[in-house]
Amino acid sequence: DVKVTQSSRYLVKRTGEKVFLECVQDMDHENMFWYRQDPGLGLRLIYFSYDVKMKEKGDIPEGYSVSREKKERFSLILESASTNQTSMYLCASSTGVGYTFGSGTRLTVV
Amino acid sequence: LAKTTQPISMDSYEGQEVNITCSHNNIATNDYITWYQQFPSQGPRFIIQGYKTKVTNEVASLFIPADRKSSTLSLPRVSLSDTAVYYCLVGDDANSGGYQKVTFGTGTKLQVIP
Repeated sequence: DVKVTQSSRYLVKRTGEKVFLECVQDMDHENMFWYRQDPGLGLRLIYFSYDVKMKEKGDIPEGYSVSREKKERFSLILESASTNQTSMYLCASSTGVGYTFGSGTRLTVV
Repeated sequence: LAKTTQPISMDSYEGQEVNITCSHNNIATNDYITWYQQFPSQGPRFIIQGYKTKVTNEVASLFIPADRKSSTLSLPRVSLSDTAVYYCLVGDDANSGGYQKVTFGTGTKLQVIP
């Protein structure tokens, strides 16, 4: 089975900090995605990548950036964390049939 | 990208069959229909995918009419552990050689009652 691993399950950061969320997949998938999930809003796509060093903006990229230096690793960066970025962050990797998600990182910005 | 519409919530008693319908009037020729299940504090999990007619696996069935403008996820004899949010997605197959920005809606929250 494809496994998508997110480095942290829970994070608490201070406003203004630079935050790195890491995601690693153990299959040779080209496509990787970062979503955030908030109550009542469902999953919203932040960024996705279809190849190493390639990235595309999703629906809500403001305040975020990403890095894909290796095929298996896709990082989400909050350049200067703000309280409105408190959320559940989900990484996904695409297979030939659907997406495989990680368990999520619950980020709290105080 | 095809937009999907599904009920916000549903309740069902244990042992009943549950059908969740998703509307996708603007589905494109290359689009597949995929359903995911999400438990609290976990990422969504793939359940089933189809293109047309009927698909069945060990977890669920997916019914797609000829016009493909809607689809119905059928869960046979639900149990309390089926309480979750179910998402319907429409988009190009993720491994078709290209890429697709797939949008999740808010899903259908299924509550199974003892």
